[in-house]
Amino acid sequence: EPEVTQTPSHQVTQMGQEVILRCVPISNHLYFYWYRQILGQKVEFLVSFYNNEISEKSEIFDDQFSVERPDGSNFTLKIRSTKLEDSAMYFCASSEGPAANTGELFFGEGSRLTVL
Amino acid sequence: QQQVKQSPQSLIVQKGGISIINCAYENTAFDYFPWYQQFPGKGPALLIAIRPDVSEKKEGRFTISFNKSAKQFSLHIMDSQPGDSATYFCAAIPYSGAGSYQLTFGKGTKLSVIP
Repeated sequence: EPEVTQTPSHQVTQMGQEVILRCVPISNHLYFYWYRQILGQKVEFLVSFYNNEISEKSEIFDDQFSVERPDGSNFTLKIRSTKLEDSAMYFCASSEGPAANTGELFFGEGSRLTVL
Repeated sequence: QQQVKQSPQSLIVQKGGISIINCAYENTAFDYFPWYQQFPGKGPALLIAIRPDVSEKKEGRFTISFNKSAKQFSLHIMDSQPGDSATYFCAAIPYSGAGSYQLTFGKGTKLSVIP
């Protein structure tokens, strides 16, 4: 069964360092997303991406964050200068069509980011 | 107004019992209401979803009940099994014309089904 894969599974970094989280969405999907989940809390939307541009972003997704689809398969989230409060599980997701049509996002297993 | 309120935070049910998780929302633009199931160490996975034009949807042991006027919906798990032990998130998304792509999640319910 096709799946969304994420790397690394866990990254520990020092505050102020740059981090890149990588995702390989399901191959025929066109819509890509990043969500995050702070330990024990709800899953929060960060950004959606379609047709090589950001289609929507939340208040959390400030200038420290950026996304890129550098080739036909990868989708990356970059945090330019990490803060302690960026520590969370980051989930990549993809969908075949707009989420509003089906609501079915396929999530990866997540990348746990720990900022020290 | 973007919130989805979910309760209870945690739930313990005996094997064979009925698990009920409730959610409420305010945003009338919400048009699609999926439930996601998350096992430890895994990402959320779509379990079942409903649109507001129906009051109930059933898939196997899982049923969503939807009350549009009250802006509430709930997940019922019949004959709960230990393998159902997971965290359940209700979610909502506006209709496609609202220009939003984001799923808004509830805070989650940790379900434990004991033998």
